[in-house]
Amino acid sequence: ETGVTQTPRHLVMGMTNKKSLKCEQHLGHNAMYWYKQSAKKPLELMFVYSLEERVENNSVPSRFSPECPNSSHLFLHLHTLQPEDSALYLCASSHAGTGNYGYTFGSGTRLTVV
Amino acid sequence: QQQVKQSPQSLIVQKGGIPIINCAYENTAFDYFPWYQQFPGKGPALLIAIRPDVSEKKEGRFTISFNKSAKQFSLHIMDSQPGDSATYFCAASLDTGTASKLTFGTGTRLQVTL
Repeated sequence: ETGVTQTPRHLVMGMTNKKSLKCEQHLGHNAMYWYKQSAKKPLELMFVYSLEERVENNSVPSRFSPECPNSSHLFLHLHTLQPEDSALYLCASSHAGTGNYGYTFGSGTRLTVV
Repeated sequence: QQQVKQSPQSLIVQKGGIPIINCAYENTAFDYFPWYQQFPGKGPALLIAIRPDVSEKKEGRFTISFNKSAKQFSLHIMDSQPGDSATYFCAASLDTGTASKLTFGTGTRLQVTL
């Protein structure tokens, strides 16, 4: 365990389904991130939350909708996804604005869209 | 300007060898350069990191060399072991004041053989 827990670990969903990914951190961090990891591509930053406010939306399609109800929890709500959205979705957390830039990642949710 | 270029894509070395992974960046505003190690089924884990005012950093068998004028940095793994077989990502961080945005390289898959 890294201190960042993601659930579920695996998810298979149809293109018309609605599902949510959950991330929880117990490290006292105040910034949380969603990254997408696809084969043979760099990790892509999707969303950044700092102090529970969204500070970055990296041109992500609206079928992905993040939610950060408090500094320990982050969700990614999914609806009407496409097969090309199949990937490993990683959550990370860090301290914001303290000069300590190290991210702690969760183990990810392996998403397959059928 | 936000890209981080990483090479090689894959690397095979014998046990005891010294694999070297190289990265290059363009944006001189980057102020923190971490390396992450990822095993199958796990999220990336912070391995070692360096700031641009330092030319070299060692932690155990892992060394980062940093060349600020060339905008390049590299990871050296001394006395490599089969347990080091993993994918390695370099990254560069930009502190926005409210969060740290990491830009990742494409990864290097390292295999250490007996």
